[in-house]
Amino acid sequence: QKEVEQNSGPLSVPEGAIASLNCTYSDRGSQSFFWYRQYSGKSPELIMSIYSNGDKEDGRFTAQLNKASQYVSLLIRDSQPSDSATYLCAVGGGGYQKVTFGTGTKLQVIP
Amino acid sequence: NAGVTQTPKFQVLKTGQSMTLQCAQDMNHNSMYWYRQDPGMGLRLIYYSASEGTTDKGEVPNGYNVSRLNKREFSLRLESAAPSQTSVYFCASSEGTGDMYEQYFGPGTRLTVT
Repeated sequence: QKEVEQNSGPLSVPEGAIASLNCTYSDRGSQSFFWYRQYSGKSPELIMSIYSNGDKEDGRFTAQLNKASQYVSLLIRDSQPSDSATYLCAVGGGGYQKVTFGTGTKLQVIP
Repeated sequence: NAGVTQTPKFQVLKTGQSMTLQCAQDMNHNSMYWYRQDPGMGLRLIYYSASEGTTDKGEVPNGYNVSRLNKREFSLRLESAAPSQTSVYFCASSEGTGDMYEQYFGPGTRLTVT
């Protein structure tokens, strides 16, 4: 059984700060990693995907992957109140259609 | 381009009733998925279809059936609803080829079984 672990939070950060969200996974064969944002009452929205070790940046978001440590993180720079949501980490195997989702970390950005 | 659409948005059923949740995507994706989301449990895969004509069980398939009607449409059927099936149901799709495994979600169906 693949497991994806996230701290449920809430993680509270002041507006303008960097929010750091973390995720660990159990399957060493995992090769695809995703971050989704989910606002209350809405569906998950893909914000980042990462497949290789290292950092991947997209605007204010940076995904970091360390396969040796089985760890993936999401950094949100210059956090805004509109970033307040639950962030879901998802992990999949290479050449494999299914992903396993973590239970999510709730982020609160305080104005 | 509507992405992934789901109907209905809300539904209330009595125990033992049946219903079908509909899902369609217009992104020409090969793979489609049905998830349920419950508080504290995260998203759990019910069934998936890697390509047109194929379906397979996910983590929590009991009490559900699916049909991949064509490349665009993937339906989820509850034959005899139970209160334990009260949940939010999401359909998703992905390219499903090469390295393209990103999944895109529909707006969800909120189902209550009394």
